[in-house]
Amino acid sequence: GAGVSQSPSNKVTEKGKDVELRCDPISGHTALYWYRQSLGQGLEFLIYFQGNSAPDKSGLPSDRFSAERTGGSVSTLTIQRTQQEDSAVYLCASSLVRATNEKLFFGSGTQLSVL
Amino acid sequence: DAKTTQPNSMESNEEEPVHLPCNHSTISGTDYIHWYRQLPSQGPEYVIHGLTSNVNNRMASLAIAEDRKSSTLILHRATLRDAAVYYCILRDPTGANNLFFGTGTRLTVIP
Repeated sequence: GAGVSQSPSNKVTEKGKDVELRCDPISGHTALYWYRQSLGQGLEFLIYFQGNSAPDKSGLPSDRFSAERTGGSVSTLTIQRTQQEDSAVYLCASSLVRATNEKLFFGSGTQLSVL
Repeated sequence: DAKTTQPNSMESNEEEPVHLPCNHSTISGTDYIHWYRQLPSQGPEYVIHGLTSNVNNRMASLAIAEDRKSSTLILHRATLRDAAVYYCILRDPTGANNLFFGTGTRLTVIP
C-alpha cells in the first residue's frame, strides 16, 4: 500500500487479556515509531525502531508493554495483562531515514478499549 | 527535546488567512521546526518544516522569526477541511528519534 497501515483499526478487550497491535510501514522506510494518544490529549512517544533495533525504549509506560520489528518492516506492539488506563489510540509512524529534517508518515491508528 | 507553546484553540472564517503561532524560546541552533496537523479520527499528517528561512509548500507557509524563538504557520485561505489540531514540534539531533507532541492548537473554521 501507499501509506502506513495499522491493524486492527478497533480492538475491544477485557481487563487482564493480552493484545497485539500491528503496523505495516511504508515500504523502504527504515525508521518506525509508536505513539499513544489518550482522549483529548497530545501524542505520547512510546518506542522507536531503526531497522529491527530499538535504541530508545524510554517511552514504554511499563514492563507490560513490548514491541518488536522483523525484517526491517512490520512491527508489533504487545500489551500484556491490559488495564483500563491502557485504553487509547495507538499510532504508528514511519520515515525514510532517521534525520531531523525527515517527515513522518502516520497510520490511522488502532483504537484500543479495555473493559 | 525543547518545548513549544501554542494557543489551545483558534477560530477562522472560511477563505480567510490563518496565522497559527508557536513559541519555542529554548530552541537550539540545530533544531528543526516541524508542523503537523491531525484531522478528526486520523493520524497526524506532515504540513511543513524549516530551520532558519521561511518555507512555502502547497499546504502552507512557515514564517520563522529572525531569532528563531517563535514561528508562525500560515494557511493562506482556510477551508472547512483545514479544521484540525495543529502541532508545532522541535526536532534536535540528539532526540532525532522522536517527535514530542504537545496538545497543539485546535483550529475551527467557520463557514
